Amino acid sequence: DSGVTQTPKHLITATGQRVTLRCSPRSGDLSVYWYQQSLDQGLQFLIQYYNGEERAKGNILERFSAQQFPDLHSELNLSSLELGDSALYFCASSATGDEKLFFGSGTQLSVL
Amino acid sequence: DAKTTQPNSMESNEEEPVHLPCNHSTISGTDYIHWYRQLPSQGPEYVIHGLTSNVNNRMASLAIAEDRKSSTLILHRATLRDAAVYYCILRDDRSGGSNYKLTFGKGTLLTVNP
Repeated sequence: DSGVTQTPKHLITATGQRVTLRCSPRSGDLSVYWYQQSLDQGLQFLIQYYNGEERAKGNILERFSAQQFPDLHSELNLSSLELGDSALYFCASSATGDEKLFFGSGTQLSVL
Repeated sequence: DAKTTQPNSMESNEEEPVHLPCNHSTISGTDYIHWYRQLPSQGPEYVIHGLTSNVNNRMASLAIAEDRKSSTLILHRATLRDAAVYYCILRDDRSGGSNYKLTFGKGTLLTVNP
């Protein structure tokens, strides 16, 4: 158990809909990272937050947004969903000054 | 981020050592070498990391070439639970002490035979 909690584990929705994925980092970790894993693209970095502020941005679509709340949990919002958004979405957290990332078990999103 | 090259797949036998190679000929002086693995249906898991010197921990050893253009992850006695995709990643330390984002490649799929 990495200590990073992601909910829900599975999500099935339709094209055009909006969903929210939730991540609770390990206790005390200020950084949260979001990754998308699909069969054709592999693990892609989306975005990082550090103590509530956006710190780094990767291949995140404009239809996607994220935020980190004062209690340090984070949410990834995906809107106007398309079939190609079907993927595993991972959240990871790290402590300040620590090289290691700890990943959650992911949310499997299926867009039908 | 500097690029790494790994074999697509490798096979080993249970209880034998496994050497997983990684080439990173364009590595810069500020790049840390990280290894993660991803077991089936799980999120990636940290294995080990290093900068210049060889590193050991309870999971594995990391051997870094003197010119740092390649490295090898060593699993001393493979078990069936070590079957996973192993990723070799370079992290640029210039991105700052609070930014540890990692860029994953395709990794090496390790199969362990009983």
